Amino acid sequence: EPEVTQTPSHQVTQMGQEVILRCVPISNHLYFYWYRQILGQKVEFLVSFYNNEISEKSEIFDDQFSVERPDGSNFTLKIRSTKLEDSAMYFCASSGNFFQETQYFGPGTRLLVL
Amino acid sequence: DQQVKQNSPSLSVQEGRISILNCDYTNSMFDYFLWYKKYPAEGPTFLISISSIKDKNEDGRFTVFLNKSAKHLSLHIVPSQPGDSAVYFCAASSNTGNQFYFGTGTSLTVIP
Repeated sequence: EPEVTQTPSHQVTQMGQEVILRCVPISNHLYFYWYRQILGQKVEFLVSFYNNEISEKSEIFDDQFSVERPDGSNFTLKIRSTKLEDSAMYFCASSGNFFQETQYFGPGTRLLVL
Repeated sequence: DQQVKQNSPSLSVQEGRISILNCDYTNSMFDYFLWYKKYPAEGPTFLISISSIKDKNEDGRFTVFLNKSAKHLSLHIVPSQPGDSAVYFCAASSNTGNQFYFGTGTSLTVIP
C-alpha cells in the first residue's frame, strides 16, 4: 500500500540553525501539506501546496518557513532560523485530486531545538 | 481559536463494549469531517469521514454520527478491541479552504 515517508525521523538542532525536513508524498497525489504537533497539544496546520505553489498557510507559517517541491517526488519544509518553540513533531500529508479528499500522513519528524 | 474541540482528553472502555468519542465544532462553514487514529511515534491514520449532506456513515465497527444543528459529531466503535487503544483526532474542513482543523485528541484505552 502506498505511503507517505518522512526523513529524518528525529532531528536535534541548535537555536538559530536552519533545518530541512523531507517528505515523499504518495506518488499520484497532487496536494501536499505540513502540520505540526507540539508535545501535548493539537495537530496544527502549517501550509498546503498545490500545483507548485502555496495554496493556503496558517499564521504559524511565517517568513522563517518555506516549502519546496524540488523534484517530482520530494516535498520539503525549511525552517531558516529555528527557535526553541519550533520543537515539535512535524507531519507531512498528501491527498489525491481535491483538497477535501482524505489526507494521508507520514510518520513525522521529531524536531528538537536546543 | 479552537474551532474543533474534543472535551474528553481520555476514555477507558472494557473490551467488547461501545466506545463513544465526541467532537464539537464552532464554524458553521465546516462541511467535511474526519476521524484519525494515532499510535505513539506514528502519524495520524485516516479512519472514517462524513460530509455534511449525511448524518451517519458506517464502516465495519466504526460509525460516525453528525448533528449539524448541534455542531457535534461522534465516533462509535463497537465492539471495542484492545488494538483500538490510541489517540483519536477529529478534523474538519470547509470547501472554502485547504486546511483541516484538528481537535486536541482523545486517548482511548480498551481494557482487555
